[in-house]
Amino acid sequence: QSVLTQPPSASGTPGQRVTISCSGSSSNIGSNNVYWYQQLPGTAPKLLMYRNNQRPSGVPDRFSGSKSGTSASLAISGLRSEDEADYYCAAWDDSLSGRVFGGGTKLTVL
Amino acid sequence: EVQLVESGGGLVQPGGSLKLSCAASGFTFSDSAMHWVRQASGKGLEWVGRIRSKANTYATSYAASVKGRFTISRDDSKNTAYLQMNSLKTEDTAVYYCTSMYAGSPFFDYWGQGTLVTVSS
Repeated sequence: QSVLTQPPSASGTPGQRVTISCSGSSSNIGSNNVYWYQQLPGTAPKLLMYRNNQRPSGVPDRFSGSKSGTSASLAISGLRSEDEADYYCAAWDDSLSGRVFGGGTKLTVL
Repeated sequence: EVQLVESGGGLVQPGGSLKLSCAASGFTFSDSAMHWVRQASGKGLEWVGRIRSKANTYATSYAASVKGRFTISRDDSKNTAYLQMNSLKTEDTAVYYCTSMYAGSPFFDYWGQGTLVTVSS
């Protein structure tokens, strides 16, 4: 059971907009930044979003992040086949004094 | 080119020990915090622990599942971080990733390719 809650799966067709949610609590998302990672099959995770809504260099602006209260979300617009991957949210948890991850969301591009 | 290369993984019996290394290059290693994250086959990501930079007194934190058994250290002169794993259990079997995070500007969070640790008799 992960501290951060994500839907196990999401899907969309090419060109669509998809949103992945991440729900936490006051000790993690509610008081700290949220990070998002993309893990393509057989590869290491890659940072997709930091400090809630900041994109690292090289990440397309089709990806956007937001946070409100104890929840965060990752939106992918103009869905492409290469976006098919697992997506994880993460945040520091003050109560646990450690980093926590969501269980991951498998995105399928139909 | 930024690189994080883990090594030291392998097969170990329950109760045994293993030490992983993470060699960094291409960025200012000494300024960054080093984290270890693991992923069991077909499962999600699990944070193992971290060691902060010298400026942050090399402070360490660990997940409850490994506290007291795992120790993270670093040698800034060698641009290398370590994960010493003792009293290993079968549930520690996973791919172990090292990651380097710098919260300043520009922010970065680099990941290695991972090394497989299998705990089995």
